[in-house]
Amino acid sequence: DQQVKQNSPSLSVQEGRISILNCDYTNSMFDYFLWYKKYPAEGPTFLISISSIKDKNEDGRFTVFLNKSAKHLSLHIVPSQPGDSAVYFCAPTNTGNQFYFGTGTSLTVIP
Amino acid sequence: DVKVTQSSRYLVKRTGEKVFLECVQDMDHENMFWYRQDPGLGLRLIYFSYDVKMKEKGDIPEGYSVSREKKERFSLILESASTNQTSMYLCASGSPIINEKLFFGSGTQLSVL
Repeated sequence: DQQVKQNSPSLSVQEGRISILNCDYTNSMFDYFLWYKKYPAEGPTFLISISSIKDKNEDGRFTVFLNKSAKHLSLHIVPSQPGDSAVYFCAPTNTGNQFYFGTGTSLTVIP
Repeated sequence: DVKVTQSSRYLVKRTGEKVFLECVQDMDHENMFWYRQDPGLGLRLIYFSYDVKMKEKGDIPEGYSVSREKKERFSLILESASTNQTSMYLCASGSPIINEKLFFGSGTQLSVL
């Protein structure tokens, strides 16, 4: 049973606009949430994370929002750039060492 | 820079063959993981290991086994490859520090014919 879902398999955004990627989870024990970015033929790389004690974390153009009551998190990319075109995975954890990856959202930023 | 190296980028095997996927990390990480990535299913955990000679089943261990004889090396074994094991295989390593991010290899695209 998929504990982590990213309901949009793909997303297209114009360069310079905001990209919003969503992630829903079912396990209320998850207490730390990471986002990974994956280019074709490469392994995923860590992008940004958030602890369950916060509701927002920002790093440059990337901001992650967490709504614990809704079991929902989102990644905002502003402004979007063509180099952001990749597959994005959310990956919560409740043990600190085992991560549960979502299904991924393929983002295309159109120049 | 942390390096996680997977021995092959592309592999083509025949049904019934025994397949070895090798992964080596250079950061002295205790934790190592094998995932497979399939369209629409994301990354699914096959096996993981928190120490040498130790292994734990992930979500989809059927048809796979692993070996961790040395800390830096974690091997995934397909005892008798089947077509439904055609996939992208990703190895990752991480420290035992709570919530520490994982580092991934570039992946092995395995095709079983």
